[in-house]
Amino acid sequence: SAVISQKPSRDICQRGTSLTIQCQVDSQVTMMFWYRQQPGQSLTLIATANQGSEATYESGFVIDKFPISRPNLTFSTLTVSNMSPEDSSIYLCSGVGTSSGNYGYTFGSGTRLTVV
Amino acid sequence: GDSVTQMEGPVTLSEEAFLTINCTYTATGYPSLFWYVQYPGEGLQLLLKATKADDKGSNKGFEATYRKETTSFHLEKGSVQVSDSAVYFCALDNYGQNFVFGPGTRLSVLP
Repeated sequence: SAVISQKPSRDICQRGTSLTIQCQVDSQVTMMFWYRQQPGQSLTLIATANQGSEATYESGFVIDKFPISRPNLTFSTLTVSNMSPEDSSIYLCSGVGTSSGNYGYTFGSGTRLTVV
Repeated sequence: GDSVTQMEGPVTLSEEAFLTINCTYTATGYPSLFWYVQYPGEGLQLLLKATKADDKGSNKGFEATYRKETTSFHLEKGSVQVSDSAVYFCALDNYGQNFVFGPGTRLSVLP
């Protein structure tokens, strides 16, 4: 399976600011996703990052708050905009490859965000 | 739609006790099934997986068998250690189209 490097691993940010999280995959993956894990809860899918086009957002998530880029098959960013303490969560990216030898979901190590 | 149900936690065990965390799923077709583990302060790590019925995934003493007839993928370990304290997530992948997580089960192992 692919290996995903995610950074930063953690950050403490002031409310009203924005943070961009990056994920770099060591091989091409067909699809990439961004998840949020609020304290004590399971993972919630934010959006599917589409290469070269706008991301597909799940209900309750909007592009203005969580802009996503995916310029190629190995890289994606998620920005958490105009942050508030309610945005304090772990954010994870994942990628799925479907080619032989590269099938399956892989996750980044997560970004623990605290908004103060 | 596809869904995953896990036993509610937290689960608290003494060291060397036997562990079972139940997981059942609802899905169209024949999904792949996974267990992920999240240690305190860390991201998700794949623990084990099974891609077809009757497959048994195993890793680090943990095992789970894909039971199509009962749509289950229960996680077991014969003797838990303090270092196994973590949150465990059951998940399914329906041919890369829909990856669904269960709510997670927190395990605490006491010395």
